[in-house]
Amino acid sequence: KAGVTQTPRYLIKTRGQQVTLSCSPISGHRSVSWYQQTPGQGLQFLFEYFSETQRNKGNFPGRFSGRQFSNSRSEMNVSTLELGDSALYLCASSPPGTGNTGELFFGEGSRLTVL
Amino acid sequence: TQLLEQSPQFLSIQEGENLTVYCNSSSVFSSLQWYRQEPGEGPVLLVTVVTGGEVKKLKRLTFQFGDARKDSSLHITAAQPGDTGLYLCAGVGAGGTSYGKLTFGQGTILTVHP
Repeated sequence: KAGVTQTPRYLIKTRGQQVTLSCSPISGHRSVSWYQQTPGQGLQFLFEYFSETQRNKGNFPGRFSGRQFSNSRSEMNVSTLELGDSALYLCASSPPGTGNTGELFFGEGSRLTVL
Repeated sequence: TQLLEQSPQFLSIQEGENLTVYCNSSSVFSSLQWYRQEPGEGPVLLVTVVTGGEVKKLKRLTFQFGDARKDSSLHITAAQPGDTGLYLCAGVGAGGTSYGKLTFGQGTILTVHP
């Protein structure tokens, strides 16, 4: 079974630009979550989608948004990029029935550098 | 706000040594997980513990969930260079469905020298 696929793996943007990251979950997984990982803050939860609906959201500004499509694929967008948005953005999917235990299966991430 | 504190932050040992990583909180968690992350890759789930006092073994790795479900430990026996990586604990808050949100510890960077 293929794992979580994220594209692009690496990207460089300049301040003020916007970026869209894509995630394809493991087949059969309908829940997709996004995390930001930085050396200083560690892994921080951005949001989670299930059946095209955002069910949970972390404490990030409105510049961070996401969506999910009917095939469970998800995208996240960051507008008006700031230097501090440089990070590894991780997508994770969850199998059915793990809502209480919370297991996440992560992709390899998209490393964003903002200059 | 639920926090998970991991210790130590850094661990550098020789091949064959044993080590223990700790994950502590003042909050109760309904489950705790351990992940391992290598450079340039995403975290990989190692184990989930859900019952207070639970002990799980995965080859040379032993995971324990505290009786009060506020802490956990990861013990590696006879560490090997292939164990090198970032170890992360993560938890689901008590009484609720995670909806994708886990609280992560800051991680322990383990380096095992041949």
